[in-house]
Amino acid sequence: AQSVSQHNHHVILSEAASLELGCNYSYGGTVNLFWYVQYPGQHLQLLLKYFSGDPLVKGIKGFEAEFIKSKFSFNLRKPSVQWSDTAEYFCAVNAEGGKLIFGQGTELSVKP
Amino acid sequence: DTEVTQTPKHLVMGMTNKKSLKCEQHMGHRAMYWYKQKAKKPPELMFVYSYEKLSINESVPSRFSPECPNSSLLNLHLHALQPEDSALYLCASSPLGGVSYNEQFFGPGTRLTVL
Repeated sequence: AQSVSQHNHHVILSEAASLELGCNYSYGGTVNLFWYVQYPGQHLQLLLKYFSGDPLVKGIKGFEAEFIKSKFSFNLRKPSVQWSDTAEYFCAVNAEGGKLIFGQGTELSVKP
Repeated sequence: DTEVTQTPKHLVMGMTNKKSLKCEQHMGHRAMYWYKQKAKKPPELMFVYSYEKLSINESVPSRFSPECPNSSLLNLHLHALQPEDSALYLCASSPLGGVSYNEQFFGPGTRLTVL
């Protein structure tokens, strides 16, 4: 069965620190991978996506992610976080029937 | 138009009420979804409509009844809900065609409180 695992439940960083959020997936078919962000009280927004091609994907707001097929991973990175990056981050993988399988989410708190 | 809209933004209802949530998209997407999301949890899939036909029902209680009147609209009819049904209800759509066929675009959600 398809699954997504996010390693960190809650990450606390100071502004300007570097960020890496882990995501591992389990899916036997062709994968499409996504990172969504949900700011406090707001709806899900797509940060970035991977369908094919260059495994290093750049998204909005300075985020990037690297697809490593051999490790079944799609980790999210940002060189220097800001207080405004405080949010819940969800990794997701496509599944049969057009479904998305979400990870449990990582809460990021950035201290000013 | 590249967004999914949902109404109302907030809804408070009693356990005996009947209400409906509405979702609309004008991106020509042929799949639409209902999700339920509790605070700091991932969205849980409830229903999927593909080409206006219900293709997935994730064993959702019958007090939730989806309807897809046309390719742009999706409704969720609510009846006799329980307090534990209080949550953010998200609608999403996806193209079902092209390179990004299963990328889902989410609406802002309806925050439902059941008293």
